[in-house]
Amino acid sequence: QKEVEQDPGPLSVPEGAIVSLNCTYSNSAFQYFMWYRQYSRKGPELLMYTYSSGNKEDGRFTAQVDKSSKYISLFIRDSQPSDSATYLCAILNRDDKIIFGKGTRLHILP
Amino acid sequence: DTGVSQNPRHKITKRGQNVTFRCDPISEHNRLYWYRQTLGQGPEFLTYFQNEAQLEKSRLLSDRFSAERPKGSFSTLEIQRTEQGDSAMYLCASSPLAGVGEQYFGPGTRLTVT
Repeated sequence: QKEVEQDPGPLSVPEGAIVSLNCTYSNSAFQYFMWYRQYSRKGPELLMYTYSSGNKEDGRFTAQVDKSSKYISLFIRDSQPSDSATYLCAILNRDDKIIFGKGTRLHILP
Repeated sequence: DTGVSQNPRHKITKRGQNVTFRCDPISEHNRLYWYRQTLGQGPEFLTYFQNEAQLEKSRLLSDRFSAERPKGSFSTLEIQRTEQGDSAMYLCASSPLAGVGEQYFGPGTRLTVT
């Protein structure tokens, strides 16, 4: 089992909809969780960084961590065409290395 | 611009040639990381430095790969005797020591080996 699993998509939603992106992870010892956004041919951009279970909100973005089920989510409210990108979930392992999921390609349809 | 910068942005080389990439991290960041990303995959860890010390290398990093960070500032990644399988995006990231999960990435160097 891979350390981080993520559905590659693509996921297409209409503009203004709420987007839900999800990942699962294998090791219950992981404690740091991140979401990165990556536009085509660009480097990943850190969106959200959370340590604990529960929700963390930043503008239209909400990151949710459920440690009991080893499930992490990113919600995007009022989605915009500019949100079209690949979203990478990631965890920080005990060796301070980031392990990334494969990324989910998101298309927001105008 | 105070973000992470990488040069060159694109490199096309013939198989067997050596290539070198440069990364300039955010100036106050102690840690510097190199990753490789292929199409449809997330970035994969290659190696990282804390100041000038190289602390870990992935098994992905064959003997043909070498990285340096002299004086704890910029870093270089060299690939000797390139192979077609080395074609990928090479990403550099940096982080402060106190927030190693908050890694900030550069734009990457896209390598094509023909």
